[in-house]
Amino acid sequence: NAGVTQTPKFRILKIGQSMTLQCTQDMNHNYMYWYRQDPGMGLKLIYYSVGAGITDKGEVPNGYNVSRSTTEDFPLRLELAAPSQTSVYFCASSTPPQPQHFGDGTRLSIL
Amino acid sequence: AQSVTQLDSQVPVFEEAPVELRCNYSSSVSVYLFWYVQYPNQGLQLLLKYLSGSTLVESINGFEAEFNKSQTSFHLRKPSVHISDTAEYFCAGANFGNEKLTFGTGTRLTIIP
Repeated sequence: NAGVTQTPKFRILKIGQSMTLQCTQDMNHNYMYWYRQDPGMGLKLIYYSVGAGITDKGEVPNGYNVSRSTTEDFPLRLELAAPSQTSVYFCASSTPPQPQHFGDGTRLSIL
Repeated sequence: AQSVTQLDSQVPVFEEAPVELRCNYSSSVSVYLFWYVQYPNQGLQLLLKYLSGSTLVESINGFEAEFNKSQTSFHLRKPSVHISDTAEYFCAGANFGNEKLTFGTGTRLTIIP
């Protein structure tokens, strides 16, 4: 059972480039989440989804976009990458109020 | 909205000594709470959860946490730590009916040999 799978694990982008962080879960969870983790700041929610076709903003959505065409996949898109988006990104899934299951993260540097 | 506060950003502890990592939450309505552990360069792993029922919850590796409604706390404890417990620990919570978790800023536990 793979759980939550994120790709890529590492990426370096130049300012202004765009990219998509991939997230797939195989637990048939309706809810999926994207967080960013910065040192000393905990996890901040970027976007979340309560099911296929339904997404909503979290605490820090600016500069990001998401889509949810299937239950399994929840990609996060960065348009016009900025240095402030250098972070570790985590995808998670759950059936609330049960715990969220996390992927191993994508470490993104923007130079 | 729910808020979660972890009072200590870093906690150094000697090996085999007891430890308590503190967590307080804000809401007075029904809440559910988790402790997660993060080892270096890894994602978050569930350590234990409180949804309802017994206020004392335990993990398989010796950690326990007690839900204290009057003090709005959910402190994590272990009677004797090991080197392998070195990690960052996150408290997280939400109100029932709210599918979004709020995370504390984390406590880095360092075990001193």
